[in-house]
Amino acid sequence: QKEVEQNSGPLSVPEGAIASLNCTYSDRGSQSFFWYRQYSGKSPELIMFIYSNGDKEDGRFTAQLNKASQYVSLLIRDSQPSDSATYLCAVQGGRRALTFGSGTRLQVQP
Amino acid sequence: DGGITQSPKYLFRKEGQNVTLSCEQNLNHDAMYWYRQDPGQGLRLIYYSQIVNDFQKGDIAEGYSVSREKKESFPLTVTSAQKNPTAFYLCASSIVGMIREKLFFGSGTQLSVL
Repeated sequence: QKEVEQNSGPLSVPEGAIASLNCTYSDRGSQSFFWYRQYSGKSPELIMFIYSNGDKEDGRFTAQLNKASQYVSLLIRDSQPSDSATYLCAVQGGRRALTFGSGTRLQVQP
Repeated sequence: DGGITQSPKYLFRKEGQNVTLSCEQNLNHDAMYWYRQDPGQGLRLIYYSQIVNDFQKGDIAEGYSVSREKKESFPLTVTSAQKNPTAFYLCASSIVGMIREKLFFGSGTQLSVL
């Protein structure tokens, strides 16, 4: 079992819709959770982080964390074509460096 | 402007050759990291360093070596022992190592084998 699992996609949504990206992790001791956006050929950029159970909202983005189910998700409201990218889930447990999932490719159709 | 500079942007390696990827940061960050990314894959940790003159192996350290002689610099050498080096290499830094610290990434180096 991979430490951090994501559906590779592509996830295709129409412009203006809500995109829902999911991630599960295996280490119950994980403490910090991050979502990075990566455009093709570019480096990842941090868009959300969450440490506690529940929801965290920032503009059009909402991160959701459920530690009991070992599940973290990212919702993107009012999706735009510029949101088309690969979204990487990253998890940090204890004193370890970040462990990344393989990413979900999102396509927003105009 | 503060940031992380990786060079070169593209690098080609011949059979049996060692190559070194440069990573410099002026963010005054303590911790630095090297990740490897293969097409369609996530990032895998090669090496990381939380303090000058100290570094630890990540998940895929075989065939790679690093040094941390200065806080600002964390070069990665891809040795001839690394038989499949073609990948996108990303350097990152954070204020302190590990807990709840966000990573800042350089722009990456694409390494290919001739």
